[in-house]
Formats: sequence, structure tokens, C-alpha cells
Amino acid sequence: AQRVTQPEKLLSVFKGAPVELKCNYSYSGSPELFWYVQYSRQRLQLLLRHISRESIKGFTADLNKGETSFHLKKPFAQEEDSAMYYCALPGGFKTIFGAGTRLFVKA
Amino acid sequence: DSGVTQTPKHLITATGQRVTLRCSPRSGDLSVYWYQQSLDQGLQFLIQYYNGEERAKGNILERFSAQQFPDLHSELNLSSLELGDSALYFCASSVDGLTEAFFGQGTRLTVV
Repeated sequence: AQRVTQPEKLLSVFKGAPVELKCNYSYSGSPELFWYVQYSRQRLQLLLRHISRESIKGFTADLNKGETSFHLKKPFAQEEDSAMYYCALPGGFKTIFGAGTRLFVKA
Repeated sequence: DSGVTQTPKHLITATGQRVTLRCSPRSGDLSVYWYQQSLDQGLQFLIQYYNGEERAKGNILERFSAQQFPDLHSELNLSSLELGDSALYFCASSVDGLTEAFFGQGTRLTVV
């Protein structure tokens, strides 16, 4: 069964510290994974997708098929990064979202 | 602006009532998704339509129903409302139901 797991509900870091938001998936086949971000209960926005291998707002994510992970990383967190982050796996006609991790960046 | 429009933005209603939430997808998108986001549950997938047909069903209660019309807009009907139905309801659309989904601003439903 397809599943996305984000083990941390809340992650709190200081400004300037590195950030890693964890995401593990279960999928038979070659997955396409996304990270979405939601600021202050606004609409969810696509942050990045693994297939494009891009870096958005300093965030990157690498697909590790061996560990079935797609962790989101940023070397130096900023206060404006505080938001909810959702890892998502499209497939089987629906997109499955993880439970989300709330990132809180302290000044 | 994602191009996905949801109305109304806010809705306050009493227990036992019925409401209809409306979603207009991005131009050209055939697939519409509905999600429920509550404080303690995170983002829960409810249902997905593709070109008017139901394609996938998630944790949608029997009191809830949805449809996608020929013009591709979708409505989510919530009936016999309970306090626990208070949540933010998001609609999202995508081209084919397999790729990136674009989200609307959501409808905040408060049941009192």
C-alpha cells in the first residue's frame, strides 16, 4: 500500500541552524515525490519535486530509494521558513500526503 | 494565486445542518481533489474526481458526498453536521490526477 510517513509533528530550530524534515514512503514502483509548504493556514503550495532536482528557497530534497526516503533539507534556517511542510506521493489517481511537520524557526 | 477558487471562504453553521462547498479548478485541469484539514488530524484525503467521474475515495464519511459537474467544477456536500466537522476544507486540482496538485485557499467551516 502507498504510504507517506513524516515522523515528526513539530520541529523547532534556531535561526541559522540546519534543518532536516524527514519523509519516508512506501510505494511499489518508481515514485515521484513532492514537498508542499503551508504558511499560516494558507493554501498549500508546491515547494519542490524530486524529478526536477531543483532548490527552492534554499531547500533541497534527495530521493533515496534504498532508504525509501525523501528528506527536506536546508543548511541555514530562516524565520520565514516557519510553516507546515507536507511530503506527498502522487499515484493511483490520488495524491497521498504525510501528516505534516510544523517547522518553527526561533530567532 | 493557484487558479483554484473555493467558495465560500468562511462558513458558520449549526449542528444538524447541511452545507455545500464549491470549487472551480484551474483552467485545463480535469482532476479535482477534496481534503479536510483539522487541527489534530492533519491533511486527510476525502475524494477525487477526474473528468466527472469518481476516481479515488479516502476517509470520507457517509454524511459527506461530492460530485464534479460537466464544466469540471466540483461541490462537496456535508450533511447532518457535527461539531467535529469543523475544519478547513481544501480543494485541489491537477491536469491528470497523477501530477502536481494546485490548492485553493480553502473553506473554513465552523459548526456551532
